[in-house]
Amino acid sequence: GQQLNQSPQSMFIQEGEDVSMNCTSSSIFNTWLWYKQDPGEGPVLLIALYKAGELTSNGRLTAQFGITRKDSFLNISASIPSDVGIYFCAGQLLGAQKLVFGQGTRLTINP
Amino acid sequence: KAGVTQTPRYLIKTRGQQVTLSCSPISGHRSVSWYQQTPGQGLQFLFEYFSETQRNKGNFPGRFSGRQFSNSRSEMNVSTLELGDSALYLCASRAGLAGGSEQFFGPGTRLTVL
Repeated sequence: GQQLNQSPQSMFIQEGEDVSMNCTSSSIFNTWLWYKQDPGEGPVLLIALYKAGELTSNGRLTAQFGITRKDSFLNISASIPSDVGIYFCAGQLLGAQKLVFGQGTRLTINP
Repeated sequence: KAGVTQTPRYLIKTRGQQVTLSCSPISGHRSVSWYQQTPGQGLQFLFEYFSETQRNKGNFPGRFSGRQFSNSRSEMNVSTLELGDSALYLCASRAGLAGGSEQFFGPGTRLTVL
């Protein structure tokens, strides 16, 4: 079953606003990955995190690996129209091989 | 370095037929995973292959099968297609199975079952 809770499920914001989304679990992860998917395309890897407390940026995107190793968040600053899409988190459980995915956050931006 | 490639990009089949989808991973990647994505749904994990062996499996019926070749290329087969099999099928590759391995997706194959 689903082991990652991603929230919010959808967001409707104005262009220029900052965005924050997160993934949480009751289990410990050793890897967190954040992806963005455009309609009809495959997800594109945005940021990868490997250490508890790690904070990594990719342009206007910033993601953090939670200290407890059970959560991660993704922030987007000063949103622009091309940020529209579905954002997925993925994590690898400590001691497991398989990646598990959140259900996605659909971001819509009003110009 | 070339990314993950999938062929074909689009496919139309009728109920009862079977279909084979192909995936070429990033050079040097030995793990290939397959996912099904339907409208409004997240990524449903099908299976993962590593060194020609299925290592992880999702909750799909036996009509869904796969294999991996010695060059790490992978194929996924769906037999006796049903209307509900219409979806975007995504392939992803990573170097290994251990933590710390980034997974990259291909563009997907859009399967329509009529």
